[in-house]
Amino acid sequence: KQEVTQIPAALSVPEGENLVLNCSFTDSAIYNLQWFRQDPGKGLTSLLLIQSSQREQTSGRLNASLDKSSGRSTLYIAASQPGDSATYLCAVNAEYGNKLVFGAGTILRVKS
Amino acid sequence: DTAVSQTPKYLVTQMGNDKSIKCEQNLGHDTMYWYKQDSKKFLKIMFSYNNKELIINETVPNRFSPKSPDKAHLNLHINSLELGDSAVYFCASSRTVHGYTFGSGTRLTVV
Repeated sequence: KQEVTQIPAALSVPEGENLVLNCSFTDSAIYNLQWFRQDPGKGLTSLLLIQSSQREQTSGRLNASLDKSSGRSTLYIAASQPGDSATYLCAVNAEYGNKLVFGAGTILRVKS
Repeated sequence: DTAVSQTPKYLVTQMGNDKSIKCEQNLGHDTMYWYKQDSKKFLKIMFSYNNKELIINETVPNRFSPKSPDKAHLNLHINSLELGDSAVYFCASSRTVHGYTFGSGTRLTVV
C-alpha cells in the first residue's frame, strides 16, 4: 500500500529565504508525482508534474526533483515571498490503480 | 475557460437529508474522481470513473453513489447524511501522463 510522507509538517521562514519541502513515498512503482498548492478554503492548484522517467521539473522560482528508486521528491522554492504562504501537497500517481495518493502536506508561512 | 467545475461551493444541510454535488470537466480527460478532504485536511480518494465506468470504490459507505452520465460529468449523490460526512469534497479529472486537475471543492456541513 502506497504511503506518502511530507516533512516538515509546518515551516515558517522570513521573506527571501530559499527553502526545501520534502516528500517520500513507500512504493516506487509510480507513473508520476505532482506537487500542488492549496490556499486556505480554496481548491488545489497544480504546481509541477514530474513523470517517472524525469529527474526534475522547473517553473519560475519552483524546482521539483524526483528520485524514484529511493522514493523521494523535493520541492525547492527560491527567494520565498509572503504570497507563497499556503499548504503544499505532494501526491504520487500509482502505476497500478490510477489514483493519486496524497501526503498530509506542509503548511508554509513566509513572513514579510 | 478549461477547467473542472463543481457545484455547489457550499452546502449546509440537516442530518438524514439526501444531497447531490455536480461536477463537469471540459478538458477532454477520460477519467474523473471524487476526493474527500477531512477536518485534518487529509485528501483521500473515494471513487474514480473511466469513460463512465466505475474503476475505484475505496470502501466508501453505500450511502454515497457516484453517477457518470458521460465522460465529462461525474456527480455525487449522498443519502441519509450523517454528521461525519461533513468535509470538503473535490472533483478531479486526469489523463494519466498529463496529471490531475482539481475543482475548487464543495464544503459540506451536516447539522
